[in-house]
Amino acid sequence: EPEVTQTPSHQVTQMGQEVILRCVPISNHLYFYWYRQILGQKVEFLVSFYNNEISEKSEIFDDQFSVERPDGSNFTLKIRSTKLEDSAMYFCASKRQGTDNSPLHFGNGTRLTVT
Amino acid sequence: AQSVTQLDSHVSVSEGTPVLLRCNYSSSYSPSLFWYVQHPNKGLQLLLKYTSAATLVKGINGFEAEFKKSETSFHLTKPSAHMSDAAEYFCVVSHSNFGNEKLTFGTGTRLTIIP
Repeated sequence: EPEVTQTPSHQVTQMGQEVILRCVPISNHLYFYWYRQILGQKVEFLVSFYNNEISEKSEIFDDQFSVERPDGSNFTLKIRSTKLEDSAMYFCASKRQGTDNSPLHFGNGTRLTVT
Repeated sequence: AQSVTQLDSHVSVSEGTPVLLRCNYSSSYSPSLFWYVQHPNKGLQLLLKYTSAATLVKGINGFEAEFKKSETSFHLTKPSAHMSDAAEYFCVVSHSNFGNEKLTFGTGTRLTIIP
């Protein structure tokens, strides 16, 4: 069964550095998402992406964050200048269509540690 | 606004005994509800989903959930727990806006299986 793949599985970075988290959604999916889970807290919606633009973003998704689909397969989340509070598990998800009942498929996540 | 409340942060059951994980929802719309499971160091896997068809929904690994509108509940059950069921379980409500789907997660219930 096709899977959403995320790399790396764990990323350690220093505060103030830029990081790029990478995701390869399922190939025939059209909607792409990023969620994050701070340790011990809820999984939170960050952003959704469709037709090469952001569909919706949460208040967490400020100017430090950006998403991009640079080619036909990758979907990336960039954090421009990381803060300690950005340490979390980041999940990428994709969905085949918007109007049917197909579920979101999640990747295994990237654990980001900001020191 | 939509939300889900998972009433237990931690549930322990003995192997072979029934499992009950409780979830109450709040939604302005007719909701789509899901249960996702997260095993250690793994991604979020869909267990089952309710999308206004049958109120009793069967999922993978012997789990099922019943949508009760009068009680605004969507509790997850399994007749007989297995050691491999030990994981974190998330109740999720979905809101779709022009095809874009946004999930709101509960805080999670950690299920421990006692041998």
